[in-house]
Amino acid sequence: ETGVTQTPRHLVMGMTNKKSLKCEQHLGHNAMYWYKQSAKKPLELMFVYSLEERVENNSVPSRFSPECPNSSHLFLHLHTLQPEDSALYLCASSQGPGQGAQIKGGELFFGEGSRLTVL
Amino acid sequence: GNSVTQMEGPVTLSEEAFLTINCTYTATGYPSLFWYVQYPGEGLQLLLKATKADDKGSNKGFEATYRKETTSFHLEKGSVQVSDSAVYFCALSDHRGSTLGRLYFGRGTQLTVWP
Repeated sequence: ETGVTQTPRHLVMGMTNKKSLKCEQHLGHNAMYWYKQSAKKPLELMFVYSLEERVENNSVPSRFSPECPNSSHLFLHLHTLQPEDSALYLCASSQGPGQGAQIKGGELFFGEGSRLTVL
Repeated sequence: GNSVTQMEGPVTLSEEAFLTINCTYTATGYPSLFWYVQYPGEGLQLLLKATKADDKGSNKGFEATYRKETTSFHLEKGSVQVSDSAVYFCALSDHRGSTLGRLYFGRGTQLTVWP
């Protein structure tokens, strides 16, 4: 139990569907992240939110749309995905600005992931 | 730039064998270094970390020493168990810039331990 909860754990969708992944953290952090984990590829950082503002977007296709309504919740909205988008999507949180993150060395706390399959 | 290179897997060992997983890094500043572990069907968990040169991180019998002169952070365990079977990721955190907690990961090394 890491304090970061992701739902759903598994999702199968067609290329024309619209779905969302949800992440919730109970650690009092104010930075949240989406990572993509594909087979035989390095972990890819997709988005970073700090104090509910997006601070990093690593050239992710627009069919992925993040939303961070508050510091405890992060969503990833999915639409018109491609089969190559099938992967494990990991949410993480960390201490952010004003929380001593630099002193503590930037540790991330990950959820268990949402396994996405696009047909 | 920042990057992490770790040994390719998979690594297969018998129980009680000695484990080493090599990790080297390139960084523009003075990063913190981490080992994360991912057990089957789960997300990543922090295994150990070191925040400055010559620090040794340790946890659950695993150790890694931050070696600035060789830019390395090799993971070791003296006697592995079946329950250590997992994927191990080396990572570094660059504290500079606006993205606190930005981690650069290696590709991961799959470890399988047989009884």
